[in-house]
Amino acid sequence: DGGITQSPKYLFRKEGQNVTLSCEQNLNHDAMYWYRQDPGQGLRLIYYSQIVNDFQKGDIAEGYSVSREKKESFPLTVTSAQKNPTAFYLCASGPKYEQFFGPGTRLTVL
Amino acid sequence: QQPVQSPQAVILREGEDAVINCSSSKALYSVHWYRQKHGEAPVFLMILLKGGEQKGHDKISASFNEKKQQSSLYLTASQLSYSGTYFCGTETTGGYQKVTFGTGTKLQVIP
Repeated sequence: DGGITQSPKYLFRKEGQNVTLSCEQNLNHDAMYWYRQDPGQGLRLIYYSQIVNDFQKGDIAEGYSVSREKKESFPLTVTSAQKNPTAFYLCASGPKYEQFFGPGTRLTVL
Repeated sequence: QQPVQSPQAVILREGEDAVINCSSSKALYSVHWYRQKHGEAPVFLMILLKGGEQKGHDKISASFNEKKQQSSLYLTASQLSYSGTYFCGTETTGGYQKVTFGTGTKLQVIP
């Protein structure tokens, strides 16, 4: 089955720890994206990548880092510098004009 | 800057119509519409491009006023399955979809 997978679905971490969220797609899309979703604030773009080994900051990149070593994979690291990391994180990929979203990872920092 | 959506929430009875509006302070290249059901990922509905081209859902229509930087999503003869949160996303350049999403409109259709 083609699609986007994110793991894990729920993630708990202690404050001050870095954590990496996985995103994999087998749709052969060049572009991939990370969004953060908080109640009442919609989707906010963290990072996006148009091609392997290249990525750009979105609107809220501070405290996050990404890599794009393979076309299929776009992991997001939430660092200890992110002041309020508890949120729902969505990964997406897509051809031009459309984005396909993964099921999301709900991160809770205790 | 996020586009502004209105209304923030609306309740409809089955068969009624609704309009969701999206406006931006910037000149737009495209407007995207997505629907997210509770607990699920957002799903693409349609895109409206500068110049009039549209791609997407055949049961939902939308308009794009380039001069006013506004878009409206029209939901006619609503069904229970239309319930969810609708997001508009705007793109100011014709690049690779750096889309800025609005805060969403929560739509509930009741029997």
